[in-house]
Amino acid sequence: DIQMTQSPPSLSASLGDKVTITCQASQNINKYIAWYQQKPGKAPRLLIRYTSTLESGTPSRFSGSGSGRDYSFSISNVESEDIASYYCLQYDNLNTFGAGTKLELK
Amino acid sequence: EVQLVESGGGLVQPGRSLKLSCAASGFTFSNYYMAWVRQAPKKGLEWVATISTSGSRTYYPDSVKGRFTISRDNAKSSLYLQMNSLKSEDTATYYCARHSGYPAYWGQGTLVTVSS
Repeated sequence: DIQMTQSPPSLSASLGDKVTITCQASQNINKYIAWYQQKPGKAPRLLIRYTSTLESGTPSRFSGSGSGRDYSFSISNVESEDIASYYCLQYDNLNTFGAGTKLELK
Repeated sequence: EVQLVESGGGLVQPGRSLKLSCAASGFTFSNYYMAWVRQAPKKGLEWVATISTSGSRTYYPDSVKGRFTISRDNAKSSLYLQMNSLKSEDTATYYCARHSGYPAYWGQGTLVTVSS
């Protein structure tokens, strides 16, 4: 089974900051990683698939990169509506989620 | 518009069974893999099961293999999750999702509480 190590567990940012979340897979996942946003009491929303492909409706301030085992997700110019939890998911071999990152306002 | 509506959650005693349903609309259900994902209270997301378009292939993590069964009825555009031998650690909100290798569209979830 592929394990996903996501960090940090929580993040505090000011409006306008750039923040970065990382996920490391236990083996090469061939760029098959997706990123989700989840707000309290809501279902997750897919933001990015295949490392860096933005889903329709995802603002351009969101981005993803990486290869092999190491991947990152960034939000440039954090806005108040970005306050949420974020999860990575590998889909190279079945599915495994990272533990999540809670983004809070400083 | 893709819509996924889960039902069937509730309070159930440990060791008992429960069957969840998901009604799909807004897309050609039979063309897509489908999946269930759960989230324990204040915890992260956990993939639970995936089913192929015809239902001939199913996939599970070790945590539920042998206890949970995913199925579908393409004529009714419906997805199901039969959960047997439920444990307290199965307490979670269960989400139905349209699957494209990854969950792409999600329902709003149904809460399952396993407690005596």
